[in-house]
Amino acid sequence: EAGVTQSPTHLIKTRGQQATLRCSPISGHTSVYWYQQALGLGLQFLLWYDEGEERNRGNFPPRFSGRQFPNYSSELNVNALELEDSALYLCASSLGQENSPLHFGNGTRLTVT
Amino acid sequence: AQRVTQPEKLLSVFKGAPVELKCNYSYSGSPELFWYVQYSRQRLQLLLRHISRESIKGFTADLNKGETSFHLKKPFAQEEDSAMYYCALNGVTFGKGTHLIIQP
Repeated sequence: EAGVTQSPTHLIKTRGQQATLRCSPISGHTSVYWYQQALGLGLQFLLWYDEGEERNRGNFPPRFSGRQFPNYSSELNVNALELEDSALYLCASSLGQENSPLHFGNGTRLTVT
Repeated sequence: AQRVTQPEKLLSVFKGAPVELKCNYSYSGSPELFWYVQYSRQRLQLLLRHISRESIKGFTADLNKGETSFHLKKPFAQEEDSAMYYCALNGVTFGKGTHLIIQP
């Protein structure tokens, strides 16, 4: 089966710009999760979407937002980029049942200069 | 609030020695715990979950509700076990990870 795919692989933006990251889940998975992996901080939970709805949100400012489309793919948008937003952004998908195991993509490396 | 603590950022053991990666959690409800692993140049992947009570690649983990722990163990380490290991609570809250290095 095709795994979780994320695009782009790398993204370079300047401070104040907006970034859009994309994720396609495994076929049949209805839930998509977004994580930020900054150096030394581990995986920080950002957002969880299931069946097109935002189900949970981590402790991040509102300039981090996203959506899930009818085909279950998802976008993460980061507005007014700050230098500390530089990180690896990981997307994961699951079957949508509570506590289903997560399947991760390879991530998008966002660099803010 | 949910929290996962992995006290060791780095753990180095010799090949053939026992391995124990520590994980403690904080959660008021009934926890669902997972271990994820990331080998060099590979994506993060599920290693095992407590509800399955299975052994994967020789690793086991037992949920101890009294000590709120879910330590990952393997009796004899192999060089291919070198990787980053993350403990996760309820599928969403991750620890900061432990870098396991197996020395030859």
